Amino acid sequence: EIVLTQSPGTLSLSPGERASLSCRARQSFGSANLAWYQQKPGQAPRLLIYGASSRATGVPDRFSGSGSETDFTLTISSLEPEDSALYYCQQYGTFPLAFGGGTKVEIK
Amino acid sequence: QVQLVQSGAEVKKPGSSVKVSCKASGGTLSSYVISWVRQAPGQGLEWMGGVIPIFGSSNYAQKFHDRLTIIADESTSTFYMELSSLRSEDTAVYYCAHQPGAAWYYFDYWGQGTLVTVSP
Repeated sequence: EIVLTQSPGTLSLSPGERASLSCRARQSFGSANLAWYQQKPGQAPRLLIYGASSRATGVPDRFSGSGSETDFTLTISSLEPEDSALYYCQQYGTFPLAFGGGTKVEIK
Repeated sequence: QVQLVQSGAEVKKPGSSVKVSCKASGGTLSSYVISWVRQAPGQGLEWMGGVIPIFGSSNYAQKFHDRLTIIADESTSTFYMELSSLRSEDTAVYYCAHQPGAAWYYFDYWGQGTLVTVSP
């Protein structure tokens, strides 16, 4: 079973700053079988990135994904106030499908 | 564009069962893959299992294997998740989510969520 560890737990940054969110696994689940989601309070998650680096439809280009095998990163190049949310990574390379524990992004 | 509309909130007693529905529209139903993901209050996301009707295939997380059933009614484009032997730890928001490409991929469309509360 793949366990995804996200860090940091909370990121507190100002508008315009760059955010880097990490998602790591102890073992590989395929080079690019990773997605990122954004979740705001009271809402369902929203797909941001799939295939480790492909942006989903309608996602602003300030969001980008990188990495492979066991080490992945979601970068928000210039934070906007509406980016305040929880962010989850998810692997789909092996069963059971699994999510990381999440990173909370706060905008100062 | 896929749309998923779930049934309403439920309150259940410990030991009982709950059945949540997810009506799908848009896309090509025959190639749908629908999974169920739950989120306990203040907690993260947990994949429970899913179904690919076109292949008659389902897959469940081992944790739920003995008390979870996920089925598809293709005549009404509705998917169901039934969880039995409920306990307080099953209190959560349950989401259905679509996976593209008739395969176990990422989740590109989500239902609005159904709150299931398990309480004496």
